[in-house]
Amino acid sequence: SYVLTQPPSVSVAPGQTARITCGGNNIGSKNVHWYQQKPGQAPVLVVYDDSDRPSGIPERFSGSNSGNTATLTISRVEAGDEADYYCQVWDSSSDHWVFGGGTKLTVL
Amino acid sequence: EVQLVESGGALVQPGGSLRLSCAASGFTVSSNYMSWVRQAPGKGLEWVSVIYSGGSTYSADSVKGRFTISRDNSKNTLYLQMNSLRAEDTAVYYCARDGYCSGGSCFGYWGQGTLVTVSS
Repeated sequence: SYVLTQPPSVSVAPGQTARITCGGNNIGSKNVHWYQQKPGQAPVLVVYDDSDRPSGIPERFSGSNSGNTATLTISRVEAGDEADYYCQVWDSSSDHWVFGGGTKLTVL
Repeated sequence: EVQLVESGGALVQPGGSLRLSCAASGFTVSSNYMSWVRQAPGKGLEWVSVIYSGGSTYSADSVKGRFTISRDNSKNTLYLQMNSLRAEDTAVYYCARDGYCSGGSCFGYWGQGTLVTVSS
């Protein structure tokens, strides 16, 4: 089965740029989606199809995907961005949806 | 406005059964890809099952043969029948709908979740 690998944690100071990676075999050939989840809340889609944003998501959130790594970039990080972030793809070979293990973003 | 409201979560003994419901409004369940996603306490997200608009269903290997996803078009409601429950099935179960992304491959809308606890 397809595996997505994320770093357990990322820390960044307010106003700086946070980058959260998602590794997978030839992930560049897939559409990658990113979710933000705050404690006690349901996940929220923040980036879809590698780099698009749903309505209402700030432009500070962006994504890229190439080779074996996809990246979620959060510019000008704010305290309110502190959350868990998950990458996700659809594995066409098995018709299964796959999530990465999640990355806890800490704003220092 | 799209809304998803889960219900049916409870404390159940190992080996028992439970049926979760997800009442949808603002759209038609049968016209979308609908999934269940779960999250064990302190753990990450795990996709459980999907039902396509055409009616085909798929499930994660961890629940295959024990869980069944279905829908009632007249009630615009999604279900998850869970049998032979195990302690490792303890989790918050979210109902999720496709949206925004190409090919329905992401979850654009989520419910608030319902807690299932499997314990004696």
